[in-house]
Amino acid sequence: AQSVTQLGSHVSVSEGALVLLRCNYSSSVPPYLFWYVQYPNQGLQLLLKYTSAATLVKGINGFEAEFKKSETSFHLTKPSAHMSDAAEYFCAVSDFSGANNLFFGTGTRLTVIP
Amino acid sequence: DADVTQTPRNRITKTGKRIMLECSQTKGHDRMYWYRQDPGLGLRLIYYSFDVKDINKGEISDGYSVSRQAQAKFSLSLESAIPNQTALYFCATCANTGELFFGEGSRLTVL
Repeated sequence: AQSVTQLGSHVSVSEGALVLLRCNYSSSVPPYLFWYVQYPNQGLQLLLKYTSAATLVKGINGFEAEFKKSETSFHLTKPSAHMSDAAEYFCAVSDFSGANNLFFGTGTRLTVIP
Repeated sequence: DADVTQTPRNRITKTGKRIMLECSQTKGHDRMYWYRQDPGLGLRLIYYSFDVKDINKGEISDGYSVSRQAQAKFSLSLESAIPNQTALYFCATCANTGELFFGEGSRLTVL
């Protein structure tokens, strides 16, 4: 079975500071991993995904994530936070068992302090 | 126009009423999903459909039913709404790359 754990339901950073959002996964097969972002009153949109190619994945808006098999982690980072990054971020793992279902973490709300 | 459109965006209803949430898409994707979002719980899968003849239960299907009227349309019904079904509901389609495309959500309040 697949699952993800997001450490920290709320993260606050100052504008210009490093953003680090943590995600650990559990999977019985090689995982496909995703980060989605949800802005207020909107649906989720894809930030980036890992599908067994390069372990360092670059996404939109300057975000990137590194797949570390030994640590079962897929943490999301951005070198310098912008006010527009304030949103809720979800890590997800796919079982790709044929159902292509994504199992989502509980989300991390990012606040950016001016 | 949005690629995945949900109606209604907001609905307040009473316990015991039947409610239908509708979803239509212009992405041309075969796979469609209904998720429920609750604070602190993330998104949980209710039902999913691979095509009009293939509908499957997700992890929290009790109390819900779905209908896939066409490739582009996938509706979610609550036959007899109860207060703990108060939540934000999302429809999504899935590309062959595995990426999900979400609608803007339907906020349902059951009194």
